[in-house]
Amino acid sequence: DIQMTQSPSSLSASVGDRVTISCRASQSISTYLSWYQQKPGKAPKLLMHTASSLQTGVPSRLSGSGSGTHFTLTISSLQPEDSATYYCQQSYSSPLTFGGGTKVEIK
Amino acid sequence: QVQLVQSGAEVKKPGASVNVSCKASGYTFTTYTIHWVRQVPGQSLEWMGWINAGNGNTKYLQKFQGRVTITMDTSASTAYMELTSLRSEDTAVYYCARGLGGRWFDPWGQGTLVTVSS
Repeated sequence: DIQMTQSPSSLSASVGDRVTISCRASQSISTYLSWYQQKPGKAPKLLMHTASSLQTGVPSRLSGSGSGTHFTLTISSLQPEDSATYYCQQSYSSPLTFGGGTKVEIK
Repeated sequence: QVQLVQSGAEVKKPGASVNVSCKASGYTFTTYTIHWVRQVPGQSLEWMGWINAGNGNTKYLQKFQGRVTITMDTSASTAYMELTSLRSEDTAVYYCARGLGGRWFDPWGQGTLVTVSS
């Protein structure tokens, strides 16, 4: 199974800050990487797929990059509504697996 | 709009079974896959398996093999996930999600809390 490792597990940043979340795969997954946002008590929401394709309706301050084993999710200017937990997920091979999550808090 | 609506919360005793439903609307049900993902409180997401709503083919995570069955009723645009021999570690929120393209998930159902307790 492909292991997905996210870092950091949590972070605290101020409104307007640039925030970067890392996701590493235990083997190459090309660009078969998706990102989700989950707020407390809610279902996850798809942010982007194939590493960098932004889902319709997702703010352009969010962006994704990477290929192979290292990926990043960047929020260019953190907003209060970005407070959530973010998960990466690989779809290169079965079983589909998720990272452990990164909790983003606003200072 | 595309929507998945799940059945309500369940409380079960150890050893029992649970059946969670997921009703799709806003798209042609048989064109996509439906995946099941669970989340133990405070933990990450765990993919459990999927069903191809076009042909009924299924695939399950090895750890659930023999305990989980995913089925569907195309006339009702509804998928079902049955988990048997429940234990306390199965207490979790269970989500269904539509599978797209390269197997990413959008949208997700609202989640169903299954509590296993004696």
